[in-house]
Amino acid sequence: SAVISQKPSRDICQRGTSLTIQCQVDSQVTMMFWYRQQPGQSLTLIATANQGSEATYESGFVIDKFPISRPNLTFSTLTVSNMSPEDSSIYLCSVVGPGQGETQYFGPGTRLLVL
Amino acid sequence: AQSVAQPEDQVNVAEGNPLTVKCTYSVSGNPYLFWYVQYPNRGLQFLLKYITGDNLVKGSYGFEAEFNKSQTSFHLKKPSALVSDSALYFCAVRPGGYQKVTFGIGTKLQVIP
Repeated sequence: SAVISQKPSRDICQRGTSLTIQCQVDSQVTMMFWYRQQPGQSLTLIATANQGSEATYESGFVIDKFPISRPNLTFSTLTVSNMSPEDSSIYLCSVVGPGQGETQYFGPGTRLLVL
Repeated sequence: AQSVAQPEDQVNVAEGNPLTVKCTYSVSGNPYLFWYVQYPNRGLQFLLKYITGDNLVKGSYGFEAEFNKSQTSFHLKKPSALVSDSALYFCAVRPGGYQKVTFGIGTKLQVIP
């Protein structure tokens, strides 16, 4: 399976600021996704990161709030903009790649606390 | 629209006893089914999947799951629970192809020494 790393692993941020989360994979992957897991909740898909083009956002998520980049087949970033305490969550990068049998693998997550 | 139900918020089992974590699903067409485990302060780890073939699939750490098409279920099982199995377990489903995966709400497994 692909090895996925995320930076930062955790952060505490002030209301109104922005945080960019990086996701790096050790091999080229077909699909990259960003999920949010709010405290005590399941996973919610934010968007699919598309290489070289705009991300595909799920209902309830918009580009202005969660801009995403994917410059190549191994790297993506998610920015959480103009943060509020409601953005306190775990943000998870997930990938599907060739040779992975259609399994989605997850990074370790970024734990964000907004004060 | 696809959906996943995990009817139990928490499952308690004594160490050494068999465990079952339940999952039922709804999806158009043939389902791709997955189980993941999340330990405290960690990301999700893939346990096992059903794509096609044998209805009983074996995965990591001694876990297995049985696909039952008529009951639209994919229950996770282990013959003998370990304290270290205590974690949050997520069932997930999607139709064939690289489409959106839908996760259940998760079931907390507590293995009691």
